[in-house]
Amino acid sequence: QLQLQESGPGLVKPSETLSLTCTVSGDSISSSSYYWAWIRQPPGKGLEWIGTIYSSGSTFYNPSLKSRVTISVDTSKNQLSLKVYSVTATDTAVYYCARPTVAGSAYDAFDIWGQGTTVTVSS
Amino acid sequence: DIQMTQSPSTLSASVGDRVTITCRASQSISIWLAWYQQKPGKAPKLLIYKASSLENGVPSRFSGSGSGTEFTLTISSLQPDDFATYYCQQYNSYSGTFGQGTKLEIK
Repeated sequence: QLQLQESGPGLVKPSETLSLTCTVSGDSISSSSYYWAWIRQPPGKGLEWIGTIYSSGSTFYNPSLKSRVTISVDTSKNQLSLKVYSVTATDTAVYYCARPTVAGSAYDAFDIWGQGTTVTVSS
Repeated sequence: DIQMTQSPSTLSASVGDRVTITCRASQSISIWLAWYQQKPGKAPKLLIYKASSLENGVPSRFSGSGSGTEFTLTISSLQPDDFATYYCQQYNSYSGTFGQGTKLEIK
């Protein structure tokens, strides 16, 4: 059964870099034909797509975040990672990794989600 | 960017009611729309994809319709477990924009 598990520091200081990892179990990122995504949700607000990556390293980013975000994959560890640079309080959110329903589709509905990890940006 | 607007933002209803939530896209997205249910502290759960296709395991009281720019999610007979927040998401373009959410409350 496919499972996604986000992990990383729960508290990041303003202007620093937020770094999160999503560990995939039950499927191999390198042999899978799926794309993988990061999505976030600020407290009490809606969902925001951050970006999507394929095992080859091909990425798509939300234009509003593109200048501050990097998504990468480590196929040896079966993990994807997210870095958000120069964070401010507005980056405080629950961060989810997710997989689309359709293999080979860079943008699609998401049927598999991690449980999310809360990141607070504060000094 | 494609903007998604849901209405209403909050909906009060009773068990057994039929409810409808609307999602409008700022430009045509064909049928590339999904609906999710989210409960507090939990990840979103996919209910509907391709505007009207029911995800496996989702009760048949949930249904979706629409194409182009206007879409609806209907719950035919509300059950206690259905009180939650609902989001639409377009995936016509890679930005995958979500609506702002509709909170379904118990009247």
